[in-house]
Amino acid sequence: EAQVTQNPRYLITVTGKKLTVTCSQNMNHEYMSWYRQDPGLGLRQIYYSMNVEVTDKGDVPEGYKVSRKEKRNFPLILESPSPNQTSLYFCASGFPGTGFRGSYGYTFGSGTRLTVV
Amino acid sequence: AQSVTQLGSHVSVSEGALVLLRCNYSSSVPPYLFWYVQYPNQGLQLLLKYTSAATLVKGINGFEAEFKKSETSFHLTKPSAHMSDAAEYFCAVSSQGGSEKLVFGKGTKLTVNP
Repeated sequence: EAQVTQNPRYLITVTGKKLTVTCSQNMNHEYMSWYRQDPGLGLRQIYYSMNVEVTDKGDVPEGYKVSRKEKRNFPLILESPSPNQTSLYFCASGFPGTGFRGSYGYTFGSGTRLTVV
Repeated sequence: AQSVTQLGSHVSVSEGALVLLRCNYSSSVPPYLFWYVQYPNQGLQLLLKYTSAATLVKGINGFEAEFKKSETSFHLTKPSAHMSDAAEYFCAVSSQGGSEKLVFGKGTKLTVNP
């Protein structure tokens, strides 16, 4: 089944304790992205990746890191989490926006609800 | 830069009534437009998309949307609401030949009353 898999689904952690949220897709998508969803703010892009070893900042990258060593994986790293990073996080993948393949839109994971206390 | 405005953060309709969720976009180049739906405790699911073919687009679960360039709008409609339509709906825009970034609106939460 074509899907984007995020782990964990729920995570409660303490301020300053490094954590990684994993994201994996099995559709050979070139493009992957992380979003955070907060009430009243919709989805905001954190980082995105156009392909292996190619990453760039989105709208709210502060406090986050990413890596893209393999095409299928795009982990989100919080080196020193803070309470303002408490949010619902989504990973998404797709083909680049240009051309026909870009018209497919993105496939989203089921989300990771992170609480930082 | 692209942007999306969804009018109304909450919309409430009766079961069987028309659903109308509004979306206006801004894009300097011809856009791709999408509607996503998020059911409680789930991820986002693609409902329908406009990619410069037919201006009236049909999606899943009886939803459709019409692209109106003159009004820069892409409103989502469904003739008759069902209880199972209760969810949050997001409009999104990306640009053909431009950034691959998908920009989302802030979402509209749809409540369906019996």
